[in-house]
Amino acid sequence: GAVVSQHPSRVICKSGTSVKIECRSLDFQATTMFWYRQFPKQSLMLMATSNEGSKATYEQGVEKDKFLINHASLTLSTLTVTSAHPEDSSFYICSARAGGVETQYFGPGTRLLVL
Amino acid sequence: DAKTTQPTSMDCAEGRAANLPCNHSTISGNEYVYWYRQIHSQGPQYIIHGLKNNETNEMASLIITEDRKSSTLILPHATLRDTAVYYCILWNRDDKIIFGKGTRLHILP
Repeated sequence: GAVVSQHPSRVICKSGTSVKIECRSLDFQATTMFWYRQFPKQSLMLMATSNEGSKATYEQGVEKDKFLINHASLTLSTLTVTSAHPEDSSFYICSARAGGVETQYFGPGTRLLVL
Repeated sequence: DAKTTQPTSMDCAEGRAANLPCNHSTISGNEYVYWYRQIHSQGPQYIIHGLKNNETNEMASLIITEDRKSSTLILPHATLRDTAVYYCILWNRDDKIIFGKGTRLHILP
């Protein structure tokens, strides 16, 4: 299947700093990318949907000014957690799909720990 | 909210077939049944999907009932590496994928 990568795989930061997570589709052009968050022992929760070249659509309860999403090209989307706090510590997973493709592919995830 | 119902957990002996059920009684005509799995601390992995007919690939088989209100994912010869959370998802491909709680499958040696 298609490959989606994330970088970094894990990051530790101090409270109040910002962290950027990259999501890349390696062998296809992703017209749409999604960002999910997963807390321990819970399922994946969709945070936002982004289409290349347009603003992201955020799910209810997700602060768009705190979780900045940029989808500037068909192979790259970034999620920036601004002014991170310990409660933002989580497993962040991106996924991508190409137009007309039957399947949505997921990245390996980024584990964020905010101290 | 997820529109599927799955058992919270299941056990299966290594080498045996693992049969994971999923109920989706409110499925719409344009919704496919997709299965993903998530091994601990990894992103979800696509397994298989189907609309009406049974499907088989190198990973698994998917059996969908004639009324489409339920389905079963079959891993024919389970190995320890199949231990994961398995998600049954309804998706019309136009919208976003919403995850339910899934089934935690334990493969026992």
